[in-house]
Amino acid sequence: SQQGEEDPQALSIQEGENATMNCSYKTSINNLQWYRQNSGRGLVHLILIRSNEREKHSGRLRVTLDTSKKSSSLLITASRAADTASYFCATPPRGTSYGKLTFGQGTILTVHP
Amino acid sequence: GAGVSQSPSNKVTEKGKDVELRCDPISGHTALYWYRQSLGQGLEFLIYFQGNSAPDKSGLPSDRFSAERTGGSVSTLTIQRTQQEDSAVYLCASSIPPGQGSQKLFFGSGTQLSVL
Repeated sequence: SQQGEEDPQALSIQEGENATMNCSYKTSINNLQWYRQNSGRGLVHLILIRSNEREKHSGRLRVTLDTSKKSSSLLITASRAADTASYFCATPPRGTSYGKLTFGQGTILTVHP
Repeated sequence: GAGVSQSPSNKVTEKGKDVELRCDPISGHTALYWYRQSLGQGLEFLIYFQGNSAPDKSGLPSDRFSAERTGGSVSTLTIQRTQQEDSAVYLCASSIPPGQGSQKLFFGSGTQLSVL
């Protein structure tokens, strides 16, 4: 089974609105990463949050991590049509910071102009 | 090149034929991964190479699938006797050596494999 499970599976919003995606995981982690995928091809790394961090920002992205609930959220503020993509959370093997990442099923975000 | 390069970008083959997919990682990245993504599915881990260590093959779905990495750089994923269920996008990624920081993956654009 997938380590990370995203919620919702699909999200449709208007340009300018905020988009929030959630990810839950099962085992303890050293870090959690978010990736973006356009048109079903290569993924692009967005942001990494370590287990001792609770919140991290990068431009219009804000990521939170709650290790007690084993969950993370990705917030995209002031969304744009170009943000339309699939977003995945990913975690390394338990107790490590490296190695094969396990990806969730992803959230499909559609931003309407 | 500056990024992970995969070839071909698209491959159409007939059921039963063998195919080879190639991945050229970022220079200096000792870790290399193959993932598979079927239509509407998440990313399925296939195999992981780290330096000269034995590869982690735990994700290979059957013995028709194999991969090698020559000289610690270029990798080839081979699928023998292809089946229609092998149709998917095959993604390659690379990352820095462990111990140099948390590993984020750099992905190639993938190979779209269609088995007719």
